[in-house]
Amino acid sequence: EMRLVDSGGDLVQPGGSLRLSCVGSGFAFNNYDINWVRQAPGKGLEWVSYSNANDGTTYYADSVRGRFTVSRDNAKNSLFLQMNSLTSDDTALYYCVRANIEDAFDIWGQGTLVTVSS
Amino acid sequence: QSVLSQAPSASGTPGQRVTISCSGTSSNIGSNSVYWYQQVPGSAPKVVIYKNDKRPSGVPDRFSGSKSDTSASLAISGLRSEDEADYYCASWDDSLRGVLFGGGTKLTVL
Repeated sequence: EMRLVDSGGDLVQPGGSLRLSCVGSGFAFNNYDINWVRQAPGKGLEWVSYSNANDGTTYYADSVRGRFTVSRDNAKNSLFLQMNSLTSDDTALYYCVRANIEDAFDIWGQGTLVTVSS
Repeated sequence: QSVLSQAPSASGTPGQRVTISCSGTSSNIGSNSVYWYQQVPGSAPKVVIYKNDKRPSGVPDRFSGSKSDTSASLAISGLRSEDEADYYCASWDDSLRGVLFGGGTKLTVL
């Protein structure tokens, strides 16, 4: 079974940092671009970041650029999201998502909850 | 980050055909493919249409997509109770260099 498992979400104070992890299994992780998508409680989907399968290219939403950094370790089928200078606006369920050859977001993690609050 | 424009809600009775629209600009829908995602409350989203009008295997042919200029639509025919969900359109934006999602349309089956 092809799956992504995300983890690392927690309660953190404003201004704090957190590192999310995503591990893929059942497919060739190093052949796929992976994204982070978040969903604030009761709100819609918001794309956060993109990581190219192999060439190191990354993109970020304006709302997180300069604060979040995505990295990956293909040898360990893993993707990471380092989140710094967190604010209450970053409170959301964060999904790790695979983009297939058609660029469709076809495999989603179960989501990991980040809560920024004092 | 801007969002693609969707009506917040839509509804229909079983068996009806409903259409959900998504409006964008020349830098996103006007020059890139549109994707549609279905999200049932409490679950992760699922792709139901990719590259404007293509259906993944396993998605019923009651679901169809279309695109014209800077707008796109998702149509669901023969509406069923299990179609009740939130639907999001998405497209790459060349100016922002990122993916944009629509605000989502909550579909209610009456």
